[in-house]
Amino acid sequence: DVVMTQTPVSMSVSLGGQVSISCRSSQSLVHNNGNTYLSWYIQKPSQSPQLLIYKVSNRFSGISDRFSGSGSGTDFTLKISRVEPDDLGVYYCGQGTQYPHTFGAGTKLELK
Amino acid sequence: EVQLQQSGPELQRPGASVKLSCKASGYTFTEYYMYWVKQRPKQSLELIGRIDPEDGSTDYVEKFKNKATLTADTSSNTAYMQLSSLTSEDTATYFCARNWLYWGQGVMVTVSS
Repeated sequence: DVVMTQTPVSMSVSLGGQVSISCRSSQSLVHNNGNTYLSWYIQKPSQSPQLLIYKVSNRFSGISDRFSGSGSGTDFTLKISRVEPDDLGVYYCGQGTQYPHTFGAGTKLELK
Repeated sequence: EVQLQQSGPELQRPGASVKLSCKASGYTFTEYYMYWVKQRPKQSLELIGRIDPEDGSTDYVEKFKNKATLTADTSSNTAYMQLSSLTSEDTATYFCARNWLYWGQGVMVTVSS
């Protein structure tokens, strides 16, 4: 199975600040069809995960352009700019290239 | 609007079985896999398996092969997951998800004597 390693485990940020979360996969996430199925989610307390970014850098419907995804192969990054209170929660990366699909352990974003 | 509505919380005794439901609306049920995910308290997300509602074919993650049974009823656009021989290790929140874009609200299953 593909292992997804996220760093850091947690981080503190000031409102209005910028953060980056890293996600590395144990194998390349480039699918045979040329697509890279790497997604980012946020999960707030007592809620289901919410898709933010799919296929590395595509923002899901309604997601602010303060969220951006980048990367290729095995190394990926989520950047959040001008952090707002509603951005606080646990962020997960997930891969859908190889079955079984797997997720990182999560990065908890807290207020400084 | 795509919606996945899951059944309510469950409190079960060790050794029992439980069947969870996930009712889909807002799209053609048979056109997308339905995934089921386990999340233990304060833990990450763990795929259990997926079902193709069109033909009922399933793919289970190895560790859940003797634990979970996935089914789908196309007449009611509902996916089901049955968990058997429950232990405390099965205490978790379970989500259904359509191709990872849309998620149910989750159902908490507590196994306790």
